[in-house]
Amino acid sequence: DQQVKQNSPSLSVQEGRISILNCDYTNSMFDYFLWYKKYPAEGPTFLISISSIKDKNEDGRFTVFLNKSAKHLSLHIVPSQPGDSAVYFCAASARGATNKLIFGTGTLLAVQP
Amino acid sequence: DAMVIQNPRYQVTQFGKPVTLSCSQTLNHNVMYWYQQKSSQAPKLLFHYYDKDFNNEADTPDNFQSRRPNTSFCFLDIRSPGLGDTAMYLCASGQGVRETQYFGPGTRLLVL
Repeated sequence: DQQVKQNSPSLSVQEGRISILNCDYTNSMFDYFLWYKKYPAEGPTFLISISSIKDKNEDGRFTVFLNKSAKHLSLHIVPSQPGDSAVYFCAASARGATNKLIFGTGTLLAVQP
Repeated sequence: DAMVIQNPRYQVTQFGKPVTLSCSQTLNHNVMYWYQQKSSQAPKLLFHYYDKDFNNEADTPDNFQSRRPNTSFCFLDIRSPGLGDTAMYLCASGQGVRETQYFGPGTRLLVL
């Protein structure tokens, strides 16, 4: 039973355009969400997070949107750059299990020059 | 640079032959985690240490054990690896609850 789902295994975007990566979750106890980025041969690195008390969090070119009623979050990258090409993982944690992250399967983003 | 280091990066072992994976962190974090990631799947938490307090996930096989002799080091022991244990093993550290987890590069384990 996959509680965090990233239904798009891959996404290709032109440099300078917007990249939108999507994530759905099923557990209503999740109240903290994170995005991690992973380059080949490296471990995942933290990108941005959002608490369930917010519906948007922005950090430079990266914005995460949270729609609690739809149990959906998305990561927007504007403008996309070739260096953004990586696997992006969505992760969530629940109240009472705050050390445990549940990850999605990841989306491979390719930004074409 | 402060970081999370995993050794070895690649490990090949035979079915049933015990193997130990190593993780160290120079961040002085009090929490260390071990994840298993099989091909095309999500990383899955096996267990974590909060200081010396060991927290095992309910579905982690008994075959998997861990040791944390000090703040910096954490080991993953697989007592009798099966073919299904072939995976990437990721170690991470964090300062506490709801804090960012910092990941090592992983150890790719192949069980033959």
